[in-house]
Amino acid sequence: SQTIHQWPATLVQPVGSPLSLECTVEGTSNPNLYWYRQAAGRGLQLLFYSVGIGQISSEVPQNLSASRPQDRQFILSSKKLLLSDSGFYLCAWSGSSNEQYFGPGTRLTVT
Amino acid sequence: GENVEQHPSTLSVQEGDSAVIKCTYSDSASNYFPWYKQELGKRPQLIIDIRSNVGEKKDQRIAVTLNKTAKHFSLHITETQPEDSAVYFCAASRRNSGYSTLTFGKGTMLLVSP
Repeated sequence: SQTIHQWPATLVQPVGSPLSLECTVEGTSNPNLYWYRQAAGRGLQLLFYSVGIGQISSEVPQNLSASRPQDRQFILSSKKLLLSDSGFYLCAWSGSSNEQYFGPGTRLTVT
Repeated sequence: GENVEQHPSTLSVQEGDSAVIKCTYSDSASNYFPWYKQELGKRPQLIIDIRSNVGEKKDQRIAVTLNKTAKHFSLHITETQPEDSAVYFCAASRRNSGYSTLTFGKGTMLLVSP
């Protein structure tokens, strides 16, 4: 069966520091991968999606970037964090059908 | 692009009552409508979905209905239990060439009182 991992689970970072969040999927090949952000008490905002290695599409302009160096690895990065980057970051995957399944998430607090 | 509206934002019911959450979408090309349940501090979990070629789907105490003409779909939970308390999100998507992106509603916080 498929499993999706994210790390770290929680992170506290100062403003202006860099960021790297990682997501990996097991048990499937050629998944579509997605990064979402959820602000406290808010809905889910799609940040990036990827249909293959090196293929990244951005949904909203921001100081975040994404990369997909391997088929089942998706990385979210920032060079300099802002206070507004705080939130719950969720990675998701989908296969040949539409269903998306979420990872456990990373709770980021920028101080 | 797609826009999904979800109502109500908060819903309080007594245990055993039914709960209904409604969503509307704007893109007539959307053909897949999932519902997610998110407990506090946890990931959203897919609980039921419906595709545009059917009007209703049921799984035990939960059911989803779809009206393509009116572009709205609803989640129905019967015989609610305290463990149903969570935030529920609807979403809509259409399949592009090999992938699909979901547009989510803003969520409904369901509170089930014992």
